[in-house]
Amino acid sequence: GQNIDQPTEMTATEGAIVQINCTYQTSGFNGLFWYQQHAGEAPTFLSYNVLDGLEEKGRFSSFLSRSKGYSYLLLKELQMKDSASYLCAVRRNNQGGKLIFGQGTELSVKP
Amino acid sequence: DVKVTQSSRYLVKRTGEKVFLECVQDMDHENMFWYRQDPGLGLRLIYFSYDVKMKEKGDIPEGYSVSREKKERFSLILESASTNQTSMYLCASNQGGQGLNTEAFFGQGTRLTVV
Repeated sequence: GQNIDQPTEMTATEGAIVQINCTYQTSGFNGLFWYQQHAGEAPTFLSYNVLDGLEEKGRFSSFLSRSKGYSYLLLKELQMKDSASYLCAVRRNNQGGKLIFGQGTELSVKP
Repeated sequence: DVKVTQSSRYLVKRTGEKVFLECVQDMDHENMFWYRQDPGLGLRLIYFSYDVKMKEKGDIPEGYSVSREKKERFSLILESASTNQTSMYLCASNQGGQGLNTEAFFGQGTRLTVV
């Protein structure tokens, strides 16, 4: 089976830094994805980690520790448009691409 | 521009009706997925297909079936719609394999209401 946990809601201030955590327990782990979803829209891909460490992509970074079953998404220099739901998803190593999602973290950025 | 297209954005059906949700992708992806998204529960996998005519149950397949007769099209079928199937349905596809390009691309979603 699998279990993916994220905080339900977070609030942060424009210009600040926020870290969204994701813990997982799954058999056959083969990579972790972060997606962003604005209200009423489809999720869009943000980042991917399969090896331990930090992946940086502009204002967004994602970290993975496989031994701890833990990842985080770091958002810097927050902007109002970053208000969205952030979804953590784990890929399992059967059939190559099956993705299982956490419940998502609703981030509100305040002025 | 890659595209996953779902046939309807909004749908209202009556209890007991047979409902078809269609999804088409133009990226020649091997894998296609159907998820439902509900507040507080996130995206839950209903069914997954990794090849034409191949399917695998996800976490919540009860009350649903799927069809993948062609590589580009993946249909979700509600045999007899019930009110607890009122939800947002999201279709996605990815290339399969184990590299970065296995990111999933999503359709815009179908908000289904069963009355």
